[in-house]
Amino acid sequence: QKEVEQNSGPLSVPEGAIASLNCTYSDRGSQSFFWYRQYSGKSPELIMFIYSNGDKEDGRFTAQLNKASQYVSLLIRDSQPSDSATYLCAVGGGADGLTFGKGTHLIIQP
Amino acid sequence: GAVVSQHPSRVICKSGTSVKIECRSLDFQATTMFWYRQFPKQSLMLMATSNEGSKATYEQGVEKDKFLINHASLTLSTLTVTSAHPEDSSFYICSAEEGDTEAFFGQGTRLTVV
Repeated sequence: QKEVEQNSGPLSVPEGAIASLNCTYSDRGSQSFFWYRQYSGKSPELIMFIYSNGDKEDGRFTAQLNKASQYVSLLIRDSQPSDSATYLCAVGGGADGLTFGKGTHLIIQP
Repeated sequence: GAVVSQHPSRVICKSGTSVKIECRSLDFQATTMFWYRQFPKQSLMLMATSNEGSKATYEQGVEKDKFLINHASLTLSTLTVTSAHPEDSSFYICSAEEGDTEAFFGQGTRLTVV
C-alpha cells in the first residue's frame, strides 16, 4: 500500500515570506513527484513536477526531492494571499495513476 | 497545457437513480484516464483506471458493478454511478495524461444524492 504523508496544517505564513511544504512517501521505487494546488470545491491544478534528486525552480516555486530520505518539499517565495489553498503532494503517475497525500492547508496572512 | 473537460460540474439526484459523468480530453488523445473521488477534507483517492478499448481496472474496495466506466474513444471516458445512495455523495474528478508526464484534471463533479 503506497502512502503519502503531509502535515494537514493549517500552515500560516506572513505575506512576502517563504512557505515551506513537506511530504514523505512510502514507496522507495517511486519515480515521479507532483505538487498540486487545490482551492476549495475545485479540482487540483499542477504546480510542479520533479523526477530527479535536487532542486527544481519555476518562478516563485521550488520543488526539492531527496529520494534517499523519501522526502519531497515545495517552497513558495514571496508568498501572496492568492497562494492560500490546499497543497497536495502526489506520487506515481503513468499507468498506475497518482497517490495523493491529504494535503496541507496554507494560509497567507496579509 | 492540455485541457480536460468534465461534465456536469454539479448534480443532485434521488437515491436509487443512476448518474453519468463525462470526461473528455479536448486537445489530445488519452489512452488512459483516471477517476478519483474526494470526500470532504480528505485527499483524492484513485477509484479506477480507464483504458480505451478495454475493461477498466478498479482499485481495491471499489465496486465495479456500481461504478461503471466506459472508455469508448481516445477522448472520452464516462463514469456511471448506478443505484446511487447518499454515501456516494462526493466530489468525483477525472484526469488524463498527455504522454507520460503531467496529469491534467477535469473540473470535477459534485454529486449529491438525496
